[in-house]
Amino acid sequence: AQTVTQSQPEMSVQEAETVTLSCTYDTSENNYYLFWYKQPPSRQMILVIRQEAYKQQNATENRFSVNFQKAAKSFSLKISDSQLGDTAMYFCAFRGGNQFYFGTGTSLTVIP
Amino acid sequence: GAVVSQHPSWVICKSGTSVKIECRSLDFQATTMFWYRQFPKQSLMLMATSNEGSKATYEQGVEKDKFLINHASLTLSTLTVTSAHPEDSSFYICSAPGNFGQGNYEQYFGPGTRLTVT
Repeated sequence: AQTVTQSQPEMSVQEAETVTLSCTYDTSENNYYLFWYKQPPSRQMILVIRQEAYKQQNATENRFSVNFQKAAKSFSLKISDSQLGDTAMYFCAFRGGNQFYFGTGTSLTVIP
Repeated sequence: GAVVSQHPSWVICKSGTSVKIECRSLDFQATTMFWYRQFPKQSLMLMATSNEGSKATYEQGVEKDKFLINHASLTLSTLTVTSAHPEDSSFYICSAPGNFGQGNYEQYFGPGTRLTVT
């Protein structure tokens, strides 16, 4: 069975600083996809970034980047130049086939 | 990108009544939709997988007779909470996966429905 683990329930960062959110997963599949979702106070799930397991290059979307270590089954999210609008719950997610699995989430607070 | 809508966004009902939540894919066809329940500051908990034209697949521990799911068309899935009780109060989210076979592996979420049972 697939599992996704986020070991940091809460984190905080000063505005304009950089923060890294951790995620590990367990799977026996070789073809899968990884995601980071943001859930702001509105509770709408927003896709932040995605990574295909077959790609070695780490995905980057503006201030957001990932460190994908396939052998270690690690998928961390780095947020650079943190902004107040980044305050939200962040969920790491795994897709294998038509099944999705979510981590328990990390509550990130950006401090002005 | 693909859009999923949910209606209503917020509903208050009295204990013992039933509530229907609609989930629509607005610009794509969804043969599969997922229904999640989320408690405050917790992760999404998959309740069931809705399949167009067939019965839904419920996760272990989810009462089928209490949470009725109907996926009558390729753009609409409904979740009916029957004989609601205060413990059913929660945030319900639907989503639709992209077509994996066509290389679309994202999941598109509705904005959620906040249910309060008094």
